[in-house]
Formats: sequence, structure tokens, C-alpha cells
Amino acid sequence: EEQLVESGGGLVQPGGSLRLSCVASGFSFDDYAMHWVRQVPGKGLEWVSGISRNSNSKGYRDSVKGRFTISRDNAQRSLHLQMNSLRGEDTALYYCVKDYGATPDDAFDVWGQGTMVTVS
Amino acid sequence: QSVLTQPPSASGTPGQRVTISCSGSSSNIGRNYVYWYQQVPGAAPKLLIYKNSQRPSGVPDRFSGSKSGTSMSLAISGLRSEDEADYYCAAWDDRLSVVFGGGTQLTVL
Repeated sequence: EEQLVESGGGLVQPGGSLRLSCVASGFSFDDYAMHWVRQVPGKGLEWVSGISRNSNSKGYRDSVKGRFTISRDNAQRSLHLQMNSLRGEDTALYYCVKDYGATPDDAFDVWGQGTMVTVS
Repeated sequence: QSVLTQPPSASGTPGQRVTISCSGSSSNIGRNYVYWYQQVPGAAPKLLIYKNSQRPSGVPDRFSGSKSGTSMSLAISGLRSEDEADYYCAAWDDRLSVVFGGGTQLTVL
């Protein structure tokens, strides 16, 4: 069974940093692009960042550019999101998401359960 | 405010056919594939439709997607109580980011 398990969320003060991690199992991690998608509880979905299978291509939403960095370690089957200069509007449940393909430009076909980030 | 526009709510009775619409622009829906996600309360989203009209394995054929110009729609036929959920439309845009609709809460009466 394809599975994604996130960790690293928590409470942080404005201006602080957090590093989210996601460990994958049940599929060939290094064959697929990966993403982070966030959701404020009770609100809609918002794409945050994506990375290709070989890390050559990365993308970010405008509001996190220069503050967040996505990375992956294919040997460890893990995805990371380094979040710096955090703001109140970054408060959300962060989902680790698998892409349907090798480049970050297709469907989100496997989702983790999310890790909550609270900036306050 | 979401880039893609969906109605905030929809409803239907068991067995009925319900359609949820989503509108965007030429830079997202108009030129790229579109997707639909279902989110049951308390759970993570689930892929329902990809590349405009394709269903992942395991998704019943009661669910169908279509796209026309800068709009897309999700149709659910033979509505069932377990279809009660939030539905989100999504599309890649020309700036290589994903945009979502604000979500439609479907109630089965």
C-alpha cells in the first residue's frame, strides 16, 4: 500500500523556522515528483511547492518563495520542507503528496494525513 | 480568494445526478489538464478525476469529469450518502503552479 507519513509540525513564533519531513513507502519513491499542499482547517487547499524525481525542477507558490525550500533524499525515501521566516498566514495542515508522474505537473494521487503547523 | 471558482455548496437526493462546476481562465483550465479531488470530513483529499476525465482505479464510474474552454465540471450520477464530502477542482497554470477552487460542500439530503 502506498503511504506517506509526515512529521515535524508544531507551534512556532512568527519569524521562526520549522522543517517538515515525509517518509514514503509502498512505491518507488525516486520515480515520482512530490509536493507539499496545505489547508487551513475548515478552508480550501493550497499548493505550496513541488519537486521533480531527480530534484532538477522545483516550484513554489509566490507567497513562500525565498522563505521555503523543498528537498528530497531518494535514498531515504524522504521529502522535506524547510520553512523559514514563518508568518501567521502559514498556519495550516501540511500534506505530503505524491505526483502521478516524474515531473511536478500532474495529478496528486497519494496524500499523507498531514502535519499541523501553527505560527503564533 | 481562490483562483478557480466553484459554488460553495450543492445538494441532491439519493439516486439523483448532481453536477459541480468550476471556472478559471485561459492560463489554467483553458490550456492545461484539470483534476477533481474529494475530501470526506476529517480525512485527506483523494484523487477523483485526472487529465480532464480519467478515473483512477477504484473510483466508481458514477463520477465523470469534463472540460470546455475555461470551465470544467464534475458529474455524480446515482448519488449515494457516502458521496457527501467537499469537492475541489484543480488545474496547473502557465506559471507551473497548481491552482485550486475554493471547494464545494456536497450534501446528500
